[in-house]
Amino acid sequence: NAGVMQNPRHLVRRRGQEARLRCSPMKGHSHVYWYRQLPEEGLKFMVYLQKENIIDESGMPKERFSAEFPKEGPSILRIQQVVRGDSAAYFCASSHRGTNYGYTFGSGTRLTVV
Amino acid sequence: GENVEQHPSTLSVQEGDSAVIKCTYSDSASNYFPWYKQELGKGPQLIIDIRSNVGEKKDQRIAVTLNKTAKHFSLHITETQPEDSAVYFCAASTDSGYALNFGKGTSLLVTP
Repeated sequence: NAGVMQNPRHLVRRRGQEARLRCSPMKGHSHVYWYRQLPEEGLKFMVYLQKENIIDESGMPKERFSAEFPKEGPSILRIQQVVRGDSAAYFCASSHRGTNYGYTFGSGTRLTVV
Repeated sequence: GENVEQHPSTLSVQEGDSAVIKCTYSDSASNYFPWYKQELGKGPQLIIDIRSNVGEKKDQRIAVTLNKTAKHFSLHITETQPEDSAVYFCAASTDSGYALNFGKGTSLLVTP
């Protein structure tokens, strides 16, 4: 019973490139949450998605960031025209219901912008 | 919005001693308080949580206490072991919510 799978584990991008981060939720989970962890900081909520729907993107920067969770396939967090300040660990969590109880986090994608 | 403060930022104890990490929160509507352990290179793992209808919860060597009046909650680890070394995060949320508000973390080092 695989947990939340995130890939890649590490991603290096040059300034101005695009970063695509993938998250496959636990089997049976249809709710996905993305969080960002800056160095020496706690996790910050970015976006909450259900299949084909964005429920809450209040924590996501208005520009360059987008997220989707298609009917088939993993959830994708896309960052366009990356800047050095985007360097962080990005974690995905999933749950069976739309609740913070029973969250399961993936191992994260560590994005480095050079 | 909710603001969660966590102290200390680093904590070093000897094996067998107890470790205590404290958090305060600002939103009186928060009523769900989980604690996560994050080992190097891994995602956060839920280790214990508490809801506002109880004041204390224990699970073997780990306990969490909650004081809703003072808006603070604490993690207690007894008989610490080297494998307890990790970063610990507290979080707060409403029971019906889906987003967690995290503290900045405490780096715990247990030395043999």
